Amino acid sequence: GQNIDQPTEMTATEGAIVQINCTYQTSGFNGLFWYQQHAGEAPTFLSYNVLDGLEEKGRFSSFLSRSKGYSYLLLKELQMKDSASYLCAVRDRYSSASKIIFGSGTRLSIRP
Amino acid sequence: DTAVSQTPKYLVTQMGNDKSIKCEQNLGHDTMYWYKQDSKKFLKIMFSYNNKELIINETVPNRFSPKSPDKAHLNLHINSLELGDSAVYFCASSQVGGGRVEQFFGPGTRLTVL
Repeated sequence: GQNIDQPTEMTATEGAIVQINCTYQTSGFNGLFWYQQHAGEAPTFLSYNVLDGLEEKGRFSSFLSRSKGYSYLLLKELQMKDSASYLCAVRDRYSSASKIIFGSGTRLSIRP
Repeated sequence: DTAVSQTPKYLVTQMGNDKSIKCEQNLGHDTMYWYKQDSKKFLKIMFSYNNKELIINETVPNRFSPKSPDKAHLNLHINSLELGDSAVYFCASSQVGGGRVEQFFGPGTRLTVL
């Protein structure tokens, strides 16, 4: 089976840095995604990690440790528009290449 | 220039009715999906089609029937709607094995069953 855990809610201050953690257990592993979803909108792709290490993309970075079944999304220089839900999702090796399983999401609130 | 589009955006209907949601993508992708996002915001895959062939069929009541007339379209028909079907339904597409792995989501269809 598959299990993905991430905190339900987090709060951070504008201009600060926040780290959203995700742990997963899967029968095989073939990549981890982070998506952003603003209230009432569609999820949009942020990052994809398949190898261990840190991937940086502007203010957002994503880290993966396959041996620990662990990832985090790091958001720097937080802006009010970063208030959204952040979804961790995993693609396992044994399902169809197109299937990804989403966690329940972390709702991030940014305060001024 | 919309990449993934869905119609309708909102759907309010009575229990027992039959309804359809349409999805189209103009990205040239070979794979399309239907997801259900419930009130707790949990996004769960329902179906996936690759080049018009069903490749993922999760544990979904058989009142839900997807249809893919071509690889740019994936429609969802729901028979005998129930209160528990109320949710937001997202269509998505991706190019499997094409190097870019992310899925692109449509704007969602908010279904309310009364």
